[in-house]
Amino acid sequence: EVQLVESGGGLIQPGGSLRLSCAASGFTFSTYAMYWVRQAPGKGLEWVSGINGSGGKTNYADSVKGRFTISRDNSKNTLYLQMNSLGAEDTALYYCAKGESSYSSSWPDLWGQGTLVTVSS
Amino acid sequence: EIVLTQSPATLSLSPGERATLSCRASQSISSYLAWYQQKPGQAPRLLIYDASNRAAGIPARFSGSGSGADFTLTISSLEPEDFAVYYCQQRNNWPPAFTFGPGTKVDIK
Repeated sequence: EVQLVESGGGLIQPGGSLRLSCAASGFTFSTYAMYWVRQAPGKGLEWVSGINGSGGKTNYADSVKGRFTISRDNSKNTLYLQMNSLGAEDTALYYCAKGESSYSSSWPDLWGQGTLVTVSS
Repeated sequence: EIVLTQSPATLSLSPGERATLSCRASQSISSYLAWYQQKPGQAPRLLIYDASNRAAGIPARFSGSGSGADFTLTISSLEPEDFAVYYCQQRNNWPPAFTFGPGTKVDIK
């Protein structure tokens, strides 16, 4: 079964750091781009970051550039998002999504169920 | 930065009716547009990509059209499971990036 399972979310104080993980199964992980997309409570979807299949190319939304780092370990079929200098505006459900190809502009065609990040003192 | 606008914000319809959802881009995006469905408590699901191509497993009652800056998602006859929020999304090929519209909620009249 093709599946994405996110983990690592939780309650974190403003200014803190958190690392999210996304475990992939059921497909050849290294041949697909991967993404992080977030959704603030009751709000719409916001693309956060993307990485190509090999991990050599990464891209970020302006709202997180310089604070978040996306990476992947193809030997472990796992995607990561390192989040630093967190603020209240980063509170959201963070989804991991798989691209339809290895290019980091390919459409996200499979999504996990998300992990909730709450930034609050 | 390309901005997507969706209308209406809410569409109240009955099962069996036809739903027409609009997505407008602030500048031409060719056919680089996708549509997603999101039900409460669930992850988004890809319905349509490249403006008019149905994703795998998506019923034929869902169709997409348009190019340039104006796009439409049509649900030909609403089933009970179709009541949800629908988002459009555009992509930049370089640098790779995505933008979502604010969504249209289709609810039961």
